[in-house]
Amino acid sequence: KAGVTQTPRYLIKTRGQQVTLSCSPISGHRSVSWYQQTPGQGLQFLFEYFSETQRNKGNFPGRFSGRQFSNSRSEMNVSTLELGDSALYLCASSLDREPEQFFGPGTRLTVL
Amino acid sequence: AQSVTQPDIHITVSEGASLELRCNYSYGATPYLFWYVQSPGQGLQLLLKYFSGDTLVQGIKGFEAEFKRSQSSFNLRKPSVHWSDAAEYFCAVGLRGNNRKLIWGLGTSLAVNP
Repeated sequence: KAGVTQTPRYLIKTRGQQVTLSCSPISGHRSVSWYQQTPGQGLQFLFEYFSETQRNKGNFPGRFSGRQFSNSRSEMNVSTLELGDSALYLCASSLDREPEQFFGPGTRLTVL
Repeated sequence: AQSVTQPDIHITVSEGASLELRCNYSYGATPYLFWYVQSPGQGLQLLLKYFSGDTLVQGIKGFEAEFKRSQSSFNLRKPSVHWSDAAEYFCAVGLRGNNRKLIWGLGTSLAVNP
């Protein structure tokens, strides 16, 4: 069974731009969560989607948003990029009723 | 508020030596407990998990962890470390119920001397 895939793997943007990251979960997994990883703050939960609905949300500004499609694929969007948004963005998927999460390789976003 | 503490930022061990990485959490009830490993430039791989039952859990790559409720700890152990174990190790807690949010420790970087 294929794992969680994330595209693109690397991205370079400039301040003020917006960016969209994509995540395809493991087949059959309907829950997709997003995390931001930075050296200073570590891993922080952004949000979780289940059946096309945002089920949980972390403490990030409204510039961070996401959505989930009917095939469970998910996208996250960051608008008006800031230098501090440079990070590794990780996507994880899980089965409903199962707390174990499986992670993708991440998208490395660099904001110049 | 829930939190996870990994007291050791960096640990160096010799190949073949035993290893223990510490993890303490703060949460009102028993959470789900996880250890993940991350190699440079890679995502996170699940080493082992504790949901309930036997407090000593076995994971992949020869790792085990013990849940101690009285100490709010979930320490990771390996009897004999291999050079390929050099990586970043993260402890995480998951809230029970319909919530996939994981709360993470800041990680322990493991270096292995030949």
